[in-house]
Amino acid sequence: AQSVTQLGSHVSVSEGALVLLRCNYSSSVPPYLFWYVQYPNQGLQLLLKYTSAATLVKGINGFEAEFKKSETSFHLTKPSAHMSDAAEYFCAAGLNDYKLSFGAGTTVTVRA
Amino acid sequence: DGGITQSPKYLFRKEGQNVTLSCEQNLNHDAMYWYRQDPGQGLRLIYYSQIVNDFQKGDIAEGYSVSREKKESFPLTVTSAQKNPTAFYLCASSMWGTGGTDTQYFGPGTRLTVL
Repeated sequence: AQSVTQLGSHVSVSEGALVLLRCNYSSSVPPYLFWYVQYPNQGLQLLLKYTSAATLVKGINGFEAEFKKSETSFHLTKPSAHMSDAAEYFCAAGLNDYKLSFGAGTTVTVRA
Repeated sequence: DGGITQSPKYLFRKEGQNVTLSCEQNLNHDAMYWYRQDPGQGLRLIYYSQIVNDFQKGDIAEGYSVSREKKESFPLTVTSAQKNPTAFYLCASSMWGTGGTDTQYFGPGTRLTVL
């Protein structure tokens, strides 16, 4: 069965520092991969989506993610954190069926 | 403005009562989904519907029921059989029924608290 692991339930970064959120998936077939962001008491907003067209995917708000098949990873990065990046981030994976499998989420705190 | 609306935003229920959460979309999407979110557990799929008048159980369907009589609407009923219903409930939709590859768009959520 498909599963998604996000390493680190909480990440704290200084404003202007690199943001790195880790995501690994388990699948013998490279899945479709997504990163979503959730602000408190709101729904999820799509940051970016990997569909096998390119291994480096650029998303909204300056985020990007790199697909590495050999490492079964899809880590999310942003070069310079902003206070508005404080939120919870979810990695999700899907195959050619109805279902997305979500990681447990990583909460990002940005220090001034 | 196209999107997904969920109501109410906050809902309180006494033990033993059924409650219905509303989800409406005007994106003309075929598929709709209900997820439950608990702290530290990510999102878990309750039910999904790939087309009108059809729906399937997800991973945690026990104690929940749904209907899909209209393309735009996918209400979720939390029944008294659901042992621990306090959670944040999210509705989503996607253009086609292949929710594993098609982008899912989410509503703002309903927070249900059982008193």
